[in-house]
Amino acid sequence: ETGVTQTPRHLVMGMTNKKSLKCEQHLGHNAMYWYKQSAKKPLELMFVYNFKEQTENNSVPSRFSPECPNSSHLFLHLHTLQPEDSALYLCASSQEVGTQETQYFGPGTRLLVL
Amino acid sequence: SQQGEEDPQALSIQEGENATMNCSYKTSINNLQWYRQNSGRGLVHLILIRSNEREKHSGRLRVTLDTSKKSSSLLITASRAADTASYFCVTGGYGNKLVFGAGTILRVKS
Repeated sequence: ETGVTQTPRHLVMGMTNKKSLKCEQHLGHNAMYWYKQSAKKPLELMFVYNFKEQTENNSVPSRFSPECPNSSHLFLHLHTLQPEDSALYLCASSQEVGTQETQYFGPGTRLLVL
Repeated sequence: SQQGEEDPQALSIQEGENATMNCSYKTSINNLQWYRQNSGRGLVHLILIRSNEREKHSGRLRVTLDTSKKSSSLLITASRAADTASYFCVTGGYGNKLVFGAGTILRVKS
C-alpha cells in the first residue's frame, strides 16, 4: 500500500445527488492533489493543496468543491454532476509542492453518474 | 506543454521477454518519472531519473534519459504476468504539477 487511502472505492450517484469523496494520507506529507482519470484520456490534475491552502484549481467546474481541513485529509464534494463526470478520481500526496517530487497515489474512487 | 508521449500505445509480449517503452517530451525538465497503474487502480511510482543522469536501475527496471533528444526509455527485463499494467512517463511542469502522458498498455502473456 502507498499510505494514501480513499473512500468510497466505488460510487454511483444521480445527477441531483450530493456526495463526498474522502482521501487520507498517513505519510506526513504537506501537499495533496485530486486527479481525474477518464477512459482513454491522460490523467488530469484538478486541485492542489499545500499546507491546507489551495494553490491550484485547474479550471474545474464549480460542481466539484474540494476541502482540505488539515494536511492529512482531503475531500471532494460533488453536487449536480453530469454523466461525463463519470471517471476514476485519484488522490495523491507528496512531501512538498514546488519541487518535482514523487507523488503517492490512493487506489481511487470509481464514480458513475447516472 | 511538457506532456510526455509514450510509444508504443500498447505492447503485448510473452512472459520472460523484455519490454521496452519509450517517452518523448517537449521542454526542459529537472527530472522524469515513470509510474505504473494496474487496471483501474491507483498509480505507483517506479523510478525517477534526474536530468543529469543518463541511466538508472531498480531491480528489473532500467531507465535511460537523453536530454538532447528529449526522450526516455523504460526497460523491464524478464517480464512477468504481474507486470501487466499501464506505464506512464511523467514530467514535471510548473511547481509540482506533474504532467502525465496517455501511457503504454503492457500485456504480459503467461
